[in-house]
Amino acid sequence: AQSVTQLGSHVSVSEGALVLLRCNYSSSVPPYLFWYVQYPNQGLQLLLKYTSAATLVKGINGFEAEFKKSETSFHLTKPSAHMSDAAEYFCAVIEGQTGANNLFFGTGTRLTVIP
Amino acid sequence: KAGVTQTPRYLIKTRGQQVTLSCSPISGHRSVSWYQQTPGQGLQFLFEYFSETQRNKGNFPGRFSGRQFSNSRSEMNVSTLELGDSALYLCASSLAVANEQFFGPGTRLTVL
Repeated sequence: AQSVTQLGSHVSVSEGALVLLRCNYSSSVPPYLFWYVQYPNQGLQLLLKYTSAATLVKGINGFEAEFKKSETSFHLTKPSAHMSDAAEYFCAVIEGQTGANNLFFGTGTRLTVIP
Repeated sequence: KAGVTQTPRYLIKTRGQQVTLSCSPISGHRSVSWYQQTPGQGLQFLFEYFSETQRNKGNFPGRFSGRQFSNSRSEMNVSTLELGDSALYLCASSLAVANEQFFGPGTRLTVL
């Protein structure tokens, strides 16, 4: 069975500082991993995805994530936080190669950016 | 290309009533999935439809049902509403399995 753990329900960073949001996964087969962002009163927007190609994945808005199989991690980073990055971020997993298409989400991390 | 649309955006119902939510996927997308988002349980998968067939179902009671039409539009129905059904219901569409899922803005259901 697959699952996702996001460490830290709230993260605060200063504007211009490094953003690091942690995600660890559990999957019995090679996973497909995703990061989504949700702004207040909106749906989810895909930031980036990993589907067994390059382990360092670049996404939109300057975000990137690295798939580390040995650590079962898929942490999200951004070198310099911007005020507009304040939102809730969700890591999600699909079991790869099973034909399943249902996303299993972590509990989310709310990012606050301090001016 | 137009994104995923969901109607209505907001809904208020009372316990015991039933409700139908609608989702129109991105043109060309044949897979539609539904998710429930609550503060307590987070984001949970309800079901997925592909070419009018339910392909996968989450762990929800039978009061939650759905269907997909030949044009890929999907509806979900909740019967005998309970207070705990108050949530944001999100619909997502994708081209194929394990492709990125594109989410609509959601329908916020409040059960009084």
